[in-house]
Amino acid sequence: SAVISQKPSRDICQRGTSLTIQCQVDSQVTMMFWYRQQPGQSLTLIATANQGSEATYESGFVIDKFPISRPNLTFSTLTVSNMSPEDSSIYLCSVEYSSGSNEQFFGPGTRLTVL
Amino acid sequence: GENVGLHLPTLSVQEGDNSIINCAYSNSASDYFIWYKQESGKGPQFIIDIRSNMDKRQGQRVTVLLNKTVKHLSLQIAATQPGDSAVYFCAGPTGRFGAGTRLTVKP
Repeated sequence: SAVISQKPSRDICQRGTSLTIQCQVDSQVTMMFWYRQQPGQSLTLIATANQGSEATYESGFVIDKFPISRPNLTFSTLTVSNMSPEDSSIYLCSVEYSSGSNEQFFGPGTRLTVL
Repeated sequence: GENVGLHLPTLSVQEGDNSIINCAYSNSASDYFIWYKQESGKGPQFIIDIRSNMDKRQGQRVTVLLNKTVKHLSLQIAATQPGDSAVYFCAGPTGRFGAGTRLTVKP
């Protein structure tokens, strides 16, 4: 299994600012994903972070609002841009190995509060 | 893609009893499902998975049943323990999660 860390673990931000969340994995992985989870709710897939190319976004999420980088096979960032209180949520990264299983391993999450 | 949802948002059981958590899906082409457990303040953790060519799969104290006819799967936890208290999600192969069921185990 993977050991996944996220930075920051939590943050309180002002409306209109941007926050970049980092996800670091202890080994090379094929797939990396970013999710959003609002309190008491399920996880919503934001995008798949592709190494060396643009991320693949799910319906309702756009690159201008959630730019994603993945410079190598162990690291990715998600930026939440021009934040509003509606962006307050937990943001989780997850990884998947190319072992034939779709099992995902999740990071601990970043709790974001936008004032 | 598939739409995965759960029947019950909460489930409360006595310690030692068996728990059954249900999940429905809409896309009959979905060929793989995973159950995750999420404890408070943590990311989801893999419990067990099942492929569509199977009806049943067993793990340690957990069993997943898949009924493709009615597009339904369930997670059964035997001899539920306080440490099983968490939110349980089913998910399809494209990373889409169901609504979640909060399991509370009463001592």
